[in-house]
Formats: sequence, structure tokens, C-alpha cells
Amino acid sequence: DSGVTQTPKHLITATGQRVTLRCSPRSGDLSVYWYQQSLDQGLQFLIQYYNGEERAKGNILERFSAQQFPDLHSELNLSSLELGDSALYFCASSHHRGGRSYNEQFFGPGTRLTVL
Amino acid sequence: AQSVAQPEDQVNVAEGNPLTVKCTYSVSGNPYLFWYVQYPNRGLQFLLKYITGDNLVKGSYGFEAEFNKSQTSFHLKKPSALVSDSALYFCAVRDEGAGTASKLTFGTGTRLQVTL
Repeated sequence: DSGVTQTPKHLITATGQRVTLRCSPRSGDLSVYWYQQSLDQGLQFLIQYYNGEERAKGNILERFSAQQFPDLHSELNLSSLELGDSALYFCASSHHRGGRSYNEQFFGPGTRLTVL
Repeated sequence: AQSVAQPEDQVNVAEGNPLTVKCTYSVSGNPYLFWYVQYPNRGLQFLLKYITGDNLVKGSYGFEAEFNKSQTSFHLKKPSALVSDSALYFCAVRDEGAGTASKLTFGTGTRLQVTL
């Protein structure tokens, strides 16, 4: 158990809908990362938040957005869903020392999103 | 931009034999390299990392990795494979972002199959 929790584990929805994925980082970790894993795209970085602020952005679609709350949990919002958005969405967290992060990221179990 | 390559989609090895999972990287500055393992329907588990120092890095579950700067490689190794090592292995490189900005770029993954 990595200490990172994600809810829900599974989500089945229809095209055009909107969903929210939730992540709680390990205790003490200030950074939260979101990744998407799909068969055709592999494991892709979406976005990073550090202590409530966006820090790095990857190949995240405009239909997707995220935020990190004061208690450090994070939510990933996916809207106008398409069939191609079906994937496993991972959250990860890491600890920073001295303002820099060379530390490993710890991954949650993921949320499997199926868009029908 | 940084990248990693895992040239083998699958590696097959008999239990008790040594295993190697290959990874090469491309970065513009200092490489910060990681190995993760993913078991079916599970999140990614951190195995080991190279930041600086000794070229041979020891990690979890008896795994180690050899960093070779001249060959830009970071191969994962284990002296004696177990059937329970069968899983999907990912090599990753941290980006060159400054300070708290950080993301991992993953390879395509190598499936390790250990047989009796």
C-alpha cells in the first residue's frame, strides 16, 4: 500500500458526461500528479500540483481540469467525455526537500474509467 | 525534451536465471532515472532510482540497476528471477523542470514473464 488513495476504483459513464476523480496524497506529501494510462498512448503525464498551485502541465486536454485543495487532496475533472477517454487514471504524490524534488513518486491504485 | 526507450516489449526468463530489462534515455542535462513495476490491476510500485553517485543502484525485492552514462542506459537487473517477478516494468526519467516542478516521462513498458 503506497499511502495514496483514489476514489472511485471504477467508473462507467456515457459519452458527453462529466466525472470527477479524487485523490488523497500520502501524509506530508505536497505534490500531486495525475497520469493517464491507455493501451494506445501508454502512461502519460497530465498535470502536477504543489501545495495548491499548478506546477507542471503535460498532455492534458482542455476538457480536463484539476485542482488541489487546502487539505492537499486533489480532484481531476473530465468533461464532455469521449470514447477515447476510457483509460486508467493514476494519481501520485511525492515529497520535496529544500524546494526541489528528486524523490520518487508514489502511485495510487488508479481509477478505471469506461466511457460507453 | 527528455525521453526513455524500452526496446523489448517482453522478456522471458526461467526462474532462477538472471534477468535484465533494458532502458535507454535521452536528456539534455543530468539524468534522474527511475524503475517502477506494475502488477495486474494495481498501481505502479517504485523499485529504485538513480540521482547521482554509484552507478549500481540497489532497490526493492532484490532488483538493481546499472547506470551507464556513455551508453545512456539504465538497465534493470536481478541475479535470480522468481515467478512472482512476472509483471510490467516501466523505466522513467524526471524532467528538467526547476524547483518543485516535476513530472516523469515513462517508457512504453516491458512485460517480464518468468516461468518455472
